[in-house]
Amino acid sequence: GAGVSQSPRYKVAKRGQDVALRCDPISGHVSLFWYQQALGQGPEFLTYFQNEAQLDKSGLPSDRFFAERPEGSVSTLKIQRTQQEDSAVYLCASTLLYGDEQYFGPGTRLTVT
Amino acid sequence: AQSVTQLGSHVSVSEGALVLLRCNYSSSVPPYLFWYVQYPNQGLQLLLKYTSAATLVKGINGFEAEFKKSETSFHLTKPSAHMSDAAEYFCAVNSNYQLIWGAGTKLIIKP
Repeated sequence: GAGVSQSPRYKVAKRGQDVALRCDPISGHVSLFWYQQALGQGPEFLTYFQNEAQLDKSGLPSDRFFAERPEGSVSTLKIQRTQQEDSAVYLCASTLLYGDEQYFGPGTRLTVT
Repeated sequence: AQSVTQLGSHVSVSEGALVLLRCNYSSSVPPYLFWYVQYPNQGLQLLLKYTSAATLVKGINGFEAEFKKSETSFHLTKPSAHMSDAAEYFCAVNSNYQLIWGAGTKLIIKP
């Protein structure tokens, strides 16, 4: 596609619900990143994929967070039993080359009530 | 370990005035440095990047940044601010495959 797309753009979940956030990277981009961005702050790294391999998940805040990229393209970030502190914008980015600039999607704004 | 410091969470300038957003980094290896802009309710868009070629880097929308190794700085400038420049600006440095981000500077343009 022309750019990174994410869906849904907005998600409201009741505390305790599970949510799934989708990211479609730019076609051919090998690397994919998920970030969490709280209001008024910079992105915080969550996890990194190279193709289908999850090479780094050190930023996932708890075992309620799970990400996958089974065929090396589309990725899903799943949050189980959502809590209020999970409310944030979740950003996805992809890159063609190792260490190169990242191309970002518009983000999914998650609000947990 | 790499880190990025952006001085000033908010910067306010008048329309037509010089824009200067400060970024200092620490890196144990020659860095790649990036400036991104984020408009409300949008993702981050690359403004410019430094990858060890020319130290003065020109980006989109009239912005430029100068890499100064002696000062470990990569400040972002624009000669004349426009109302459409109002946004949040993030500086980042690469660390292997990751980008390490500053906390961001919100640029406010006064008419």
